[in-house]
Amino acid sequence: SAVISQKPSRDICQRGTSLTIQCQVDSQVTMMFWYRQQPGQSLTLIATANQGSEATYESGFVIDKFPISRPNLTFSTLTVSNMSPEDSSIYLCSATASTDTQYFGPGTRLTVL
Amino acid sequence: QKEVEQNSGPLSVPEGAIASLNCTYSDRGSQSFFWYRQYSGKSPELIMSIYSNGDKEDGRFTAQLNKASQYVSLLIRDSQPSDSATYLCAANYGNNRLAFGKGNQVVVIP
Repeated sequence: SAVISQKPSRDICQRGTSLTIQCQVDSQVTMMFWYRQQPGQSLTLIATANQGSEATYESGFVIDKFPISRPNLTFSTLTVSNMSPEDSSIYLCSATASTDTQYFGPGTRLTVL
Repeated sequence: QKEVEQNSGPLSVPEGAIASLNCTYSDRGSQSFFWYRQYSGKSPELIMSIYSNGDKEDGRFTAQLNKASQYVSLLIRDSQPSDSATYLCAANYGNNRLAFGKGNQVVVIP
C-alpha cells in the first residue's frame, strides 16, 4: 500500500486568507483525491486531482474556492481560498495505485477564526 | 445523487460478541464497496473491499454484498476493545470516486 503524508498536519487561519495543503505519496499512484470531513460528519469528495491537467470537481465544489494542482504522479496540493469559519474541517488526501483500493493520508485539521 | 446510508446509532457490544453493521447505497452502477475503520482523530483505514455478491472473510471480519438489494454489511466476530471505532461504508460510483456513509460508532465493552 502507498504511504501518504500531508503538510501541514494542522493550522489555525484567519478569515479571508488562503491555505495550501500538500500531499506526498511514497510511490507512483494512478489517481489522487481530496476529501473533506467536517466536524462529526463523514467524508465528502471534493475533487479528483488529475496529473498535468485541471482537477475534476464534484457537485458543490468549485475551482476558485479549492484550486488543486498535481504536477507529477506522487504530489498534489489543495488550496482553500478566501476562508471562512465554515471551511473549518479536516482535509484528507487519498490515492489509488494498481487497484481501486484507496488509501488515505493522515489529514490536515484546519480551523478558521 | 450518490448516497450511502448507515442508519444505525452507536453500537455497544460485549467483548467476544459479534458486531453487525449495515449499509445501503443508491447507485446501482456501483461495482465496488469498502469498509473503513476510523479511530477518533485519525484518518480512515481500509478493512475490507468487496466486489461480488456473497460473503468475503478476512480474519475476524466478514463483508457481505447483495447488489439486488443494494446492501452491504460487515460482521466483526470475537469483538475486541481495540475494535472500538467508527466504521465507514463506501461505494465506488465511478472512476474510483467514493461516496461515504455517515459511519457507525462501535463500542466494545470489556
